[in-house]
Amino acid sequence: QVQLVQSGSELKKPGASVKVSCKASGYTFTSYAMNWVRQAPGQGLEWMGWINTNTGNPTYAQGFTGRFVFSLDTSVSTAYLQISSLKAEDTAVYYCARDPSSGWGRANWFDPWGQGTLVTVSS
Amino acid sequence: AIRMTQSPSSLSASTGDRVTITCRASQGISSYLAWYQQKPGKAPKLLIYAASTLQSGVPSRFSGSGSGTDFTLTISCLQSEDFATYYCQQYYSYPQTFGQGTKVEIK
Repeated sequence: QVQLVQSGSELKKPGASVKVSCKASGYTFTSYAMNWVRQAPGQGLEWMGWINTNTGNPTYAQGFTGRFVFSLDTSVSTAYLQISSLKAEDTAVYYCARDPSSGWGRANWFDPWGQGTLVTVSS
Repeated sequence: AIRMTQSPSSLSASTGDRVTITCRASQGISSYLAWYQQKPGKAPKLLIYAASTLQSGVPSRFSGSGSGTDFTLTISCLQSEDFATYYCQQYYSYPQTFGQGTKVEIK
């Protein structure tokens, strides 16, 4: 079955970097876009952007440029989210979520989602 | 960005109740709307897309309706496993945006 499995929780100090992984299985990784969604503690869902898994081209939502980088390793069907210069306000659960259609560059719903990775930034 | 507003923010209901959650878009989004269910500590789960299409495997007590700016998620007969937070999401245009969520609690 289609599944996304993310890496485990991270505890980081302010100013550090973190890299979250999202390993896909059960489908052809390079045929479907991958999205990233943030959920701060007790808050709602915020779309961060998406990456074209065929070309590697990322698109970032407003507010997620500069310190946030989406990348891929297609040889292991894995997408990555790297956040640099971490701040306390980056504390959140980060989800990867697949675009279920095989088109590119069009907004869509998300299915399935990874289980989420909690990133805690604290000194 | 298109703003999505859900109401109510929370509600209390009993098993067997009929529950309705509303989602309003700040501009017309045709039928480009999805609904998700999220339980504590879990990832969101897709329930409905295209405003009224039930995702495979989702119980038929869930239904969605609406188009344009006003949408509704209905749970016809609330079950214990339905107590959760529900989010709407528009995908009419980038950036995809979510409602703030509606928490369905046990009365």
